[in-house]
Amino acid sequence: KTQVEQSPQSLVVRQGENCVLQCNYSVTPDNHLRWFKQDTGKGLVSLTVLVHENDKTSNGRYSATLDKDAKHSTLHITATLLDDTATYICVVGDSNYQLIWGSGTKLIIKP
Amino acid sequence: DTTVKQNPRYKLARVGKPVNLICSQTMNHDTMYWYQKKPNQAPKLLLFYYDKILNREADTFEKFQSSRPNNSFCSLYIGSAGLEYSAMYLCASGLGNNYAEQFFGPGTRLTVL
Repeated sequence: KTQVEQSPQSLVVRQGENCVLQCNYSVTPDNHLRWFKQDTGKGLVSLTVLVHENDKTSNGRYSATLDKDAKHSTLHITATLLDDTATYICVVGDSNYQLIWGSGTKLIIKP
Repeated sequence: DTTVKQNPRYKLARVGKPVNLICSQTMNHDTMYWYQKKPNQAPKLLLFYYDKILNREADTFEKFQSSRPNNSFCSLYIGSAGLEYSAMYLCASGLGNNYAEQFFGPGTRLTVL
């Protein structure tokens, strides 16, 4: 069973609009959750990391929430730009140096 | 300097030949990780060094070697490359007591022909 599930699998958004990406997981214990951005053919860029119950983080146009009770996280991107086109990956870390990766959401920003 | 550097960025190798990838960081992180990333797949942790202790994943430990001559450098070594090794190799570093904070390098794209 997939331990980290992301939805939607792909998303097309018009430039300037907002979008929300979802991450549900069953990893136990859940030490932290991180969102990465991966441009096609490039390495990973860490957008934000959430550690505590009901954490909310903000990094420019990216903001994220974590609900540990529900084992759910969201990544919000506001006023999208063409450069936001990428794959967004949710990763959950347990307490044993193990990182469990989601398969990503492919986001395409159209002009 | 809070970046993780990887060399080379692109590598071509022949089947059966060795490959050595290099990673460096100057953040005094005690833990360095190597991941393999193939298209449309999640990154796979291959191994990590905590200080001088090497930890390799059970299903890949025979395929990859690593060395860490000092705190700043960590290599990933493939003794005999096969076609299946073609992938992006990502290096990351962090502090062992706060592994939520991992800093990733740009990756080395390895193509085996």
